[in-house]
Amino acid sequence: GESVGLHLPTLSVQEGDNSIINCAYSNSASDYFIWYKQESGKGPQFIIDIRSNMDKRQGQRVTVLLNKTVKHLSLQIAATQPGDSAVYFCAENIHAGGTSYGKLTFGQGTILTVHP
Amino acid sequence: EAGVAQSPRYKIIEKRQSVAFWCNPISGHATLYWYQQILGQGPKLLIQFQNNGVVDDSQLPKDRFSAERLKGVDSTLKIQPAKLEDSAVYLCASSFGAYNEQFFGPGTRLTVL
Repeated sequence: GESVGLHLPTLSVQEGDNSIINCAYSNSASDYFIWYKQESGKGPQFIIDIRSNMDKRQGQRVTVLLNKTVKHLSLQIAATQPGDSAVYFCAENIHAGGTSYGKLTFGQGTILTVHP
Repeated sequence: EAGVAQSPRYKIIEKRQSVAFWCNPISGHATLYWYQQILGQGPKLLIQFQNNGVVDDSQLPKDRFSAERLKGVDSTLKIQPAKLEDSAVYLCASSFGAYNEQFFGPGTRLTVL
């Protein structure tokens, strides 16, 4: 079936480095993409989103890039800090054909570890 | 602003027992979601409510799982009877509308022995 997946399950970086987390999606009907951060014992926390009519969106220290040609999504974190250590999930919103509601489908996740 | 509240935070039961989880969404949020998150995986949507109506329950194992949101605010998710493979974190989320940002609660960690 169609799904969202991640290239790398783990990523280790040094404090101050930039981090890039990648995600592949397969459903061309997806029109909304979100990155979530999940710390241990907590629910996912929204980081940044992007709609399919955009290819780049920037937030505070984070940038999301969307390449619809190859169905690829990435999250860039600038000057990574130890507090950024968490599991990062990409998620896609799939229009359920004809309804007003989309269905959010999460990928498997990437563990980011930031070393001081 | 108060976040999404869930209880209990942890629950341990024997297989074939019943269990119920409670969720109180952010005030004013019409859309409520229940997700199942198995260890090492991303959350999987079980059911989505818009006010007190079900929008999507296509991935809810209806032979054992049930959920309700009778007054369009709080929601309960029940498992009866539980199986070993139901061990997971059950996350509740809410949003103002179906295409608005979802806010997640801390989850209930269920262990079925």
